[in-house]
Amino acid sequence: NAGVTQTPKFQVLKTGQSMTLQCAQDMNHEYMSWYRQDPGMGLRLIHYSVGAGITDQGEVPNGYNVSRSTTEDFPLRLLSAAPSQTSVYFCASSLADVSYNEQFFGPGTRLTVL
Amino acid sequence: RKEVEQDPGPFNVPEGATVAFNCTYSNSASQSFFWYRQDCRKEPKLLMSVYSSGNEDGRFTAQLNRASQYISLLIRDSKLSDSATYLCVAASYNQGGKLIFGQGTELSVKP
Repeated sequence: NAGVTQTPKFQVLKTGQSMTLQCAQDMNHEYMSWYRQDPGMGLRLIHYSVGAGITDQGEVPNGYNVSRSTTEDFPLRLLSAAPSQTSVYFCASSLADVSYNEQFFGPGTRLTVL
Repeated sequence: RKEVEQDPGPFNVPEGATVAFNCTYSNSASQSFFWYRQDCRKEPKLLMSVYSSGNEDGRFTAQLNRASQYISLLIRDSKLSDSATYLCVAASYNQGGKLIFGQGTELSVKP
């Protein structure tokens, strides 16, 4: 199993550009989520999904959209990039009950917005 | 106040030392807790889960004090390879699919 994969690993955008961060998992996990990690802030939840067709907002959803058309994929879209979105983005997946199950993280996407 | 708070450190300890980290949480509805380990610029990986009063795995012991709303992680006989950032995580049933991460505690084990 490849586990959780994310592409790209690195990305530089200009303010106002849009892009999609890709996340895929091959463990048949119902739960998937996106976090951003900034220095001194820990991981903050952006959006999450408890299954295909279901998404919900996390702690910091503004400026980001998600969709979950399949169990395997959970892309994160930046609608109009801003310098405040410069961060490291991690995708994670787990079995359905997140309270009791290990989160498996992807390797991260390092995004810089100029 | 953050919902999950940790001392960011860094904790600098010699090899073989015992070191303890504390993590406090403000949501009394939090039901389960985790410690994740994150190596520099890498993805977090699960170290331990804490559901009841505590958990032990080799040199690592986690304890939960619900009355005082804190979780601790004790590392005995520290190794150089223990150098990392340790993330405390809380989950509560009334928050659906949300996990709340602390900002992490940095540990550096020196020879």
